[in-house]
Amino acid sequence: GENVEQHPSTLSVQEGDSAVIKCTYSDSASNYFPWYKQELGKRPQLIIDIRSNVGEKKDQRIAVTLNKTAKHFSLHITETQPEDSAVYFCAAISTGRRALTFGSGTRLQVQP
Amino acid sequence: DGGITQSPKYLFRKEGQNVTLSCEQNLNHDAMYWYRQDPGQGLRLIYYSQIVNDFQKGDIAEGYSVSREKKESFPLTVTSAQKNPTAFYLCATKTGANYDQPQHFGDGTRLSIL
Repeated sequence: GENVEQHPSTLSVQEGDSAVIKCTYSDSASNYFPWYKQELGKRPQLIIDIRSNVGEKKDQRIAVTLNKTAKHFSLHITETQPEDSAVYFCAAISTGRRALTFGSGTRLQVQP
Repeated sequence: DGGITQSPKYLFRKEGQNVTLSCEQNLNHDAMYWYRQDPGQGLRLIYYSQIVNDFQKGDIAEGYSVSREKKESFPLTVTSAQKNPTAFYLCATKTGANYDQPQHFGDGTRLSIL
């Protein structure tokens, strides 16, 4: 089955700096990679996703990059703000599977 | 995702007791999922269902049971066989059968042992 590893487990940055969270996956057939943001005590919410036919996708201050050869993908947040503080989860799925496999999460803290 | 309703928000279980967590959706989504969230461990799949009257075990199904009698509803029962049930339980849904569609989550139920 799929295994997704996520690093770092915690990340602290100064407001305005960039943050990068990295995930690696084991199943070379995986081809859909969403990222979720979960604020304390709330539901995870999709913030961006990428499919394997593209190498990068951007949405304002958020971007995701995918390296299929190395089987890793990363979330980039630029110009971080205190409201970006949350736990971020990466996930992966392949055509043959029916449910996402999630990473263990990264707690991002943006210091004002 | 206002179309997914989980209840109750908080639930307490006594020793030897079965409890049922509710998940209702009005999004007309075919697929529904139950995840368990423990601190530092991400989300682990308990059960999922692609269509009515059919469901499959996930990675940690032992001590849990589900039913899918209606498209809108996917209740999860935490049985007394689940010895460590304290966790945050999340229900999710997904439209259609395509694998590459995002899952949408409910607000969760926090279960604790009395």
